This record gives sequence, structure tokens and C-alpha cells, in this order.
Amino acid sequence: GQQVMQIPQYQHVQEGEDFTTYCNSSTTLSNIQWYKQRPGGHPVFLIQLVKSGEVKKQKRLTFQFGEAKKNSSLHITATQTTDVGTYFCAGKDYGGSQGNLIFGKGTKLSVKP
Amino acid sequence: KAGVTQTPRYLIKTRGQQVTLSCSPISGHRSVSWYQQTPGQGLQFLFEYFSETQRNKGNFPGRFSGRQFSNSRSEMNVSTLELGDSALYLCASSFSSYNEQFFGPGTRLTVL
Repeated sequence: GQQVMQIPQYQHVQEGEDFTTYCNSSTTLSNIQWYKQRPGGHPVFLIQLVKSGEVKKQKRLTFQFGEAKKNSSLHITATQTTDVGTYFCAGKDYGGSQGNLIFGKGTKLSVKP
Repeated sequence: KAGVTQTPRYLIKTRGQQVTLSCSPISGHRSVSWYQQTPGQGLQFLFEYFSETQRNKGNFPGRFSGRQFSNSRSEMNVSTLELGDSALYLCASSFSSYNEQFFGPGTRLTVL
């Protein structure tokens, strides 16, 4: 079945450093979504990418969807302590109109002030 | 508008018991999905309901079941609880399967 792999599992950075998490699917995706979960909280939707090669920015966050629609990345520039949390990607199988969203295991980001 | 609500927030049960968790989606959302979150396995999909019909089901044993009512509220039931069922159970609602999901705060289930 469809699998979504996410790396790295953990990332420790100094405040001000950049951070990137990568997401790879075993199948072509119809779209990919990114979520952030703060410690003790629940996942919160960040963004959805739909088009091949799509790039979207939200302030210091840059999201990319690969040309083949099988991979994606989230890059944070100049991390802040407020960026702490676990970042999940979630993809839906292409053509699977009734397929469920498959989540990666997440990248846990810690930021040292 | 009000967010997704889940009740109860915390639950302690013993092995062999059964449990029912409730989820009230955002008004107007007809899709409700349930996830099990554990430190080792991450977010695992349980099932999705849309307009009272189960549309998708994850790889969980038949002890896990759910339903959705005409007002889109959903319940999930776990029978014959096992220690390994201890987890955070998250409910998420969305307008449709292709829209973003809005998660509730979750129900923390501990099985002793």
C-alpha cells in the first residue's frame, strides 16, 4: 500500500539556523498537506500543495511539491523558538478519490535559544 | 466558528473493557476521520465517515469501529481493550476529502 516516509525524524537547531524536512511517497500523490503539532497539542493545518512543481511561501516557511508529485519539502528560514513542534506531511494517493490521507511519521524540531 | 470537539478528553480503562469516544465536527463539515497517535507509530488512520457512510478504513482490527450520525457527529468504539490501545485518539473534520483537516484536541486513552 501507499507509504509516506519523512526525514529526518528529529532535528535540533540553534535559533536562527535553517531547517528542512523531506517527505517521500511510494506512489504519485494527488496532493500533499503539511501540519504542525506543538508539544501537547493537536496537528494544525499549514498548507496544501496540488500542482506538480508547486512552491508556496508563508513568511519564513517555504513548501515545495516535486515535479513527479512523489516528494515534498518544508524549509524554515532562520528558525525561532516558536517553530518548535513536530511537522507532518500527509498525502493522498493520486486517482484515489476515496483514498485516505496517509501521514508521514513527522519530524520533531527543537530550537535552542 | 467553533472548532472540533472531542469527549472525553481523558479516559482510563482496564483490559477487556470497551470504550466509546465522541467527536463533534465543525459545523458544515461532513467528513470525519479518526486517527490513532502513538509515539512509535505516529498518526495512523482508523477510518473516515462522510454523510453517515464509512468511506475508508485503515489497517486496524475489527475491535475498532465507528459510526456517523445525521448531524455529522461521529463516535468510535473499541471493544475488548488491549494494553497496546493506549494512545491519543484524534478526530479530524473537513468539508470534503480533498480539503484540509481540522483536528480536535484528542482523547487520551490509557488501558491498564
